[in-house]
Parts: sequence; structure tokens; C-alpha cells
Amino acid sequence: DTGVSQDPRHKITKRGQNVTFRCDPISEHNRLYWYRQTLGQGPEFLTYFQNEAQLEKSRLLSDRFSAERPKGSFSTLEIQRTEQGDSAMYLCASDLTMGDKYEQYFGPGTRLTVT
Amino acid sequence: SQQGEEDPQALSIQEGENATMNCSYKTSINNLQWYRQNSGRGLVHLILIRSNEREKHSGRLRVTLDTSKKSSSLLITASRAADTASYFCATNAGGTSYGKLTFGQGTILTVHP
Repeated sequence: DTGVSQDPRHKITKRGQNVTFRCDPISEHNRLYWYRQTLGQGPEFLTYFQNEAQLEKSRLLSDRFSAERPKGSFSTLEIQRTEQGDSAMYLCASDLTMGDKYEQYFGPGTRLTVT
Repeated sequence: SQQGEEDPQALSIQEGENATMNCSYKTSINNLQWYRQNSGRGLVHLILIRSNEREKHSGRLRVTLDTSKKSSSLLITASRAADTASYFCATNAGGTSYGKLTFGQGTILTVHP
């Protein structure tokens, strides 16, 4: 079990730049989630994929945010025209649709700092 | 948006003591989960309790759920310094929400050796 991996682990960017994060889920997991966590808060749901289909997007996900999961494997989260308010930890998680198993496995996160 | 509140926001205890954290939520749920987060290992799933269950145990963890009060508690018995972390409850509404989790704000637990 190699776990969920995320790349990069840290990203510093200037306001107005675009950034892209990658998440590699556990290989047999068909569901993949993106969350955002700011300091002192719990993670907040952003979006969710089952295989390659994006099934739900939070109202938090403005049109500057886009996520993809081509071929139902890894996923990318892109933020265009970054703002200082986008500074946060971006977490990816995955799980497997199997009966009533709901445990999600989280990656280490990508910490984004917008200056 | 956050599902609800966790209480206390911070808890400081000595090794060997028990730690109790509470979580309240706002909407109907399919299940409630507890996660631990520390800088070394990220977010890790601890235990899940379904809406039709009232109590569940796993090792030194005991979780209770009161759906009438929309609240849950996590008890860690005989705490260890390694239990120092942030603890989050997370609810899953089931149905069309699939596995989407709504987290609370967390309790920061510090266990002093």
C-alpha cells in the first residue's frame, strides 16, 4: 500500500499566477476527493470524483478552480489567477466503493502560499 | 461550510488520563467518523459509527452517538504522549452525497509525558 500521494508538498506563488496540484490515489480506489483546510479549521469539501466523472462540486469552488481526473486515475486541481485567500492546505483523499466502507485515506496535502 | 462545533477547542492532560472530546452536527447523517491529524502523519481515520449505532469501541477509543441530540463523543482512555494531535469529527450524509465528509473545527489534544 503506497498510500495517497500529492505533489508538490509546498507551493509559493504570486497573486495572479496559475497553479496546478496533482493527487495520486491508492491504485484500486475509485473515488477521489479534494478538500481545503485553513489554519485552525477542519477540512472543507471542494469536489469529488467517481472514476473519471466529477459528481459534486462545492459552492466554495469558484470558476477559478477546476479539477480533472482523466482515465479515473490521478487527479489535478488547478487554480487560475490565484488570490491571497486561496492560501491553504489542499488535501486529497480516496476510497473504494465497497458495501458500507466509508473510510477515506488522505494524502499529506499541498500547502499553497499566495504572496 | 463546517458541519458543527467541537468541544473543547483545546484539551491538555497528563499521560495516563482519559480524554473526552465532543462533536455536534446540524443535519441528518448516515455515519459519523473521527479522524486524527498531526504534522507527521496527516489525517488518519480512527473510527466510524453508523446512525443506527449508539456506541462503538476500537482499542483505547470509545465513540458514542446520540442522533436525537445530533452529538457524538470520542473517549481516549489511558492517553499517551503519542496521542497528541488534532481530532476531527466528520459526518457523511449518505445518499447522493456519496462519501463526502463534512468536518468539524477540531479539538487540539496535548498529552504531557
